[in-house]
Amino acid sequence: DTEVTQTPKHLVMGMTNKKSLKCEQHMGHRAMYWYKQKAKKPPELMFVYSYEKLSINESVPSRFSPECPNSSLLNLHLHALQPEDSALYLCASSPTHDGEQYFGPGTRLTVT
Amino acid sequence: ELKVEQNPLFLSMQEGKNYTIYCNYSTTSDRLYWYRQDPGKSLESLFVLLSNGAVKQEGRLMASLDTKARLSTLHITAAVHDLSATYFCAVDGPYLTVEGSQGNLIFGKGTKLSVKP
Repeated sequence: DTEVTQTPKHLVMGMTNKKSLKCEQHMGHRAMYWYKQKAKKPPELMFVYSYEKLSINESVPSRFSPECPNSSLLNLHLHALQPEDSALYLCASSPTHDGEQYFGPGTRLTVT
Repeated sequence: ELKVEQNPLFLSMQEGKNYTIYCNYSTTSDRLYWYRQDPGKSLESLFVLLSNGAVKQEGRLMASLDTKARLSTLHITAAVHDLSATYFCAVDGPYLTVEGSQGNLIFGKGTKLSVKP
């Protein structure tokens, strides 16, 4: 298996909802990443897990909460989001923390 | 602060023509990445350039890296419509703040390429 999968593909949620994004890879990669990409902009890093240990990007609001249950799975828990959080959320993985990153197909999130 | 600048940001080409996209970065980095993104889609890895003087080619695309000049180029030969996409370059950013965890990518703004018949 040589791909990163993400579910759901699309998500519409209200500002009071709680939802989660899921990312999975079975390539044995030990680093996984969450990126946020607004329209016509480059991806911006949100979080990194390296050997299941979290690196926190200090500019990410607390309404985004990552979780890495094991080395193959990465979740992003969402709560009380704002409309400006609407974006494409990309997951990526790499063999090690500084290796080439492979991106999943993304989750298109719309906050209403 | 590490900055990655691409130019041009928009490129309209005719099929069959050649062109080059430039990527400059502001601090030392031994690795540079090129990605392709189709509208509404994810990023596809095109090239990873690991050292000064590295050159890689895949089909009509060729990428090179000059770490001394902090410059990478993506050259398009005899463009075809299927190459229409947004191309991003990226470099390894600074280490993140939590001990033991490293590695993030800093992306350029992207070059939107449109190849017309």
